[in-house]
Amino acid sequence: AQSVAQPEDQVNVAEGNPLTVKCTYSVSGNPYLFWYVQYPNRGLQFLLKYITGDNLVKGSYGFEAEFNKSQTSFHLKKPSALVSDSALYFCAVRPLDQTGANNLFFGTGTRLTVIP
Amino acid sequence: DTGVSQDPRHKITKRGQNVTFRCDPISEHNRLYWYRQTLGQGPEFLTYFQNEAQLEKSRLLSDRFSAERPKGSFSTLEIQRTEQGDSAMYLCASSLRAVKTGELFFGEGSRLTVL
Repeated sequence: AQSVAQPEDQVNVAEGNPLTVKCTYSVSGNPYLFWYVQYPNRGLQFLLKYITGDNLVKGSYGFEAEFNKSQTSFHLKKPSALVSDSALYFCAVRPLDQTGANNLFFGTGTRLTVIP
Repeated sequence: DTGVSQDPRHKITKRGQNVTFRCDPISEHNRLYWYRQTLGQGPEFLTYFQNEAQLEKSRLLSDRFSAERPKGSFSTLEIQRTEQGDSAMYLCASSLRAVKTGELFFGEGSRLTVL
């Protein structure tokens, strides 16, 4: 079975400090991994994805994520947090096999609060 | 803004009533998805259309749920004989490419409250 875990329900960080939002996955084979963000009263928005290749993936709004196969992790990072980054972040996985080929399995989300 | 639009944004109904949600995807997107999100959880996949064909259905989609995309454009999700456990945010998404290569564009959701 495929799944992702976001171990932290809430992450607080001071503005200007680096931020990390954690995600670990469990899936057979090599996964496709995604990060989405949900701002208040807005739909989920795609941030970045890992399909293959370079383990460090760069995405929208200055975010990046590092795929670590040995630790089965795909943590989201940003060097300097902005107050406007405060939102709900979801990690998602799509396995390579044909089961559920067209859907994503989402984590439970991590609420990021950037403190001015 | 020509993003994914969903209607209604909020529906309150009594247990046992039928409800229908509509989703208008981004016009050039041939792939359409329905997800359900309950409080404190991430979105859960319900069903997937490619053009007018419903190609995947989750086991979460009980026989009280039906989704259509008759002309390969807008889609409807109907819930018959609603139950309190159906209370959730119903999300629609569309994409131009398959999940593995493309990103999904989500609407703002339709919130269902069953009393």
